[in-house]
Amino acid sequence: EVQLLESGGGLVQPGGSLRLSCAASGFTFSSYAMTWVRQAPGKGLEWVSEIIGSGGSTYYADSVKGRFTISRDNSKKTLYLQMNSLRAEDTAVYYCAKVEGSVGATKGGIDRWGQGTLVTVSS
Amino acid sequence: QSALTQPASVSGSPGQSITIACTGTSSDVGGYNYVSWYQQHPGKAPKLLIYEVSNRPSGISNRFSGSKSGNTASLTISGLQAEDEADYYCNSYTSSSTRVFGGGTKVTVL
Repeated sequence: EVQLLESGGGLVQPGGSLRLSCAASGFTFSSYAMTWVRQAPGKGLEWVSEIIGSGGSTYYADSVKGRFTISRDNSKKTLYLQMNSLRAEDTAVYYCAKVEGSVGATKGGIDRWGQGTLVTVSS
Repeated sequence: QSALTQPASVSGSPGQSITIACTGTSSDVGGYNYVSWYQQHPGKAPKLLIYEVSNRPSGISNRFSGSKSGNTASLTISGLQAEDEADYYCNSYTSSSTRVFGGGTKVTVL
């Protein structure tokens, strides 16, 4: 069974940093692109970032480009999101998710999701 | 990248069919067959319903179907059931090699 377990969320001041982690199990982690999607309280889904299976290519939404960095450690089956220069508008539940494998990163359906971790940016 | 346009709400009676539209541009929905749809119940993670415009993952009911015409993709739910009451989101690949979600549609079963 595929499992994705996010951690690292919490309260951080504006301008601060946070690193999210996502531990994966139940599938061949290195074979799949992985993605982060966020949802602000009471709002819709917003795609944040994506990384291919090898880690060699990464993609970002304009809203986080230059501030967030996605990475992965395939030996640890773990996905990361380093978030710097955090703003109030980054407050959201952050979901780690797996991309189905047939057509590549940012194209395939997002077929498995974690339960999310809440990031609150506030002074 | 602007969000794809979805109606804020759609409603229907049990057994009826409803359709949710997702409108983009030639740089996203209209340019590629990489549209997916997600269902989200309150407090839960989203669930993939449709990928590549019209493909259903295993385990998804055939009451859910997807299509596309020009810059608009559509999700149809047939034989509406109480458990279908949820939020629905479309997502598309874009010409910038990124993804974009729609604003979401709340489906109410009357």
